Amino acid sequence: DGGITQSPKYLFRKEGQNVTLSCEQNLNHDAMYWYRQDPGQGLRLIYYSQIVNDFQKGDIAEGYSVSREKKESFPLTVTSAQKNPTAFYLCASSIAHFGTSTDTQYFGPGTRLTVL
Amino acid sequence: AQSVTQLDSHVSVSEGTPVLLRCNYSSSYSPSLFWYVQHPNKGLQLLLKYTSAATLVKGINGFEAEFKKSETSFHLTKPSAHMSDAAEYFCVVTEESNYQLIWGAGTKLIIKP
Repeated sequence: DGGITQSPKYLFRKEGQNVTLSCEQNLNHDAMYWYRQDPGQGLRLIYYSQIVNDFQKGDIAEGYSVSREKKESFPLTVTSAQKNPTAFYLCASSIAHFGTSTDTQYFGPGTRLTVL
Repeated sequence: AQSVTQLDSHVSVSEGTPVLLRCNYSSSYSPSLFWYVQHPNKGLQLLLKYTSAATLVKGINGFEAEFKKSETSFHLTKPSAHMSDAAEYFCVVTEESNYQLIWGAGTKLIIKP
């Protein structure tokens, strides 16, 4: 079955630690995205990648980093510089990058990160 | 700049009655509009999307939405609510000239037995 997987489902981190969230897709999509979801708010874009070895900052990139070494993988690192990291993180992918179409974004099940 | 306003943070209806979730948008150009649904502790699923074709868009699970340019609205409706419809619903807008999806704050749909 094609889809997007995120791991782990729940993640706990101590203050001052970096943590990496995994996102893998087998849909053969070029574009991948990371969003943050907080209660009572819409999704906010952290980073996106249109193609392998390229990625761009979204609205709230500070305190986060990403890599895109393989088409199917787009891990997100939440660094100690992120002041309020407790949130629900969603990864998505789409066939083509923004700007050329309005392709549907397909979402993974999410990772809930809690900083202790 | 484009924006999305979901007019109700919570909507409560009885099972078997109609559902109306309201969405207004602000956009300078011809927008594309989406509705996504999120069941508790799960990822998001596309319900339907409008991309300048027919103004009445049919989606999955019996939902539909009508694009009304004069009212800048894209309200989501369903004739008869089912318990499985209980979830959070997000209205999203994007423009052809802009890479970004702009998300509404979400509306929690509660279904009473």
